[in-house]
Amino acid sequence: DGGITQSPKYLFRKEGQNVTLSCEQNLNHDAMYWYRQDPGQGLRLIYYSQIVNDFQKGDIAEGYSVSREKKESFPLTVTSAQKNPTAFYLCASSIGDILYGYTFGSGTRLTVV
Amino acid sequence: DAKTTQPPSMDCAEGRAANLPCNHSTISGNEYVYWYRQIHSQGPQYIIHGLKNNETNEMASLIITEDRKSSTLILPHATLRDTAVYYCIVRTGANSKLTFGKGITLSVRP
Repeated sequence: DGGITQSPKYLFRKEGQNVTLSCEQNLNHDAMYWYRQDPGQGLRLIYYSQIVNDFQKGDIAEGYSVSREKKESFPLTVTSAQKNPTAFYLCASSIGDILYGYTFGSGTRLTVV
Repeated sequence: DAKTTQPPSMDCAEGRAANLPCNHSTISGNEYVYWYRQIHSQGPQYIIHGLKNNETNEMASLIITEDRKSSTLILPHATLRDTAVYYCIVRTGANSKLTFGKGITLSVRP
């Protein structure tokens, strides 16, 4: 079955450590996105990529980094520069013509202690 | 992209129709209306989208007013599994990102 996989589902890290969240899709989608969600809030866009080897900052990119070396993969690194990294992180992908909407992964809940 | 306004919450009885409103008074001619829902601790799920005409699929119906300044998502026979946060989003077509607000929390009661 085609889909988008995020791993791990739960992640714990100590403050000051970088951590990388995985996002893989086998939908042959061109575009991929990372969102952050805090309790009771909507989703905020961190980074997005419309083609391989290219990505753009979203609304809250500070303290995060991404890469897009393969069409299938769009890992997100939460760096120590991110002031408040504890959150629910969601990855999504879409066909280039995004009228058909996004497919989301099941999310990674990151807790920094 | 135009902003949307949704009430924070609503409830309905199981088996009845759930009508979820959304205002998008600043929508422009080329902006589509999208609806997604998010069940607790999961990723959002696409439901339906439309431009001008009413749309229906196996999940829901989307009614867009003639002036396109508001829309209603209709779940014809709500079940307990429809309890979720529903997001109404407007956006232009290609190369436009989705922006999710707080949505409306629908609670379906037995």
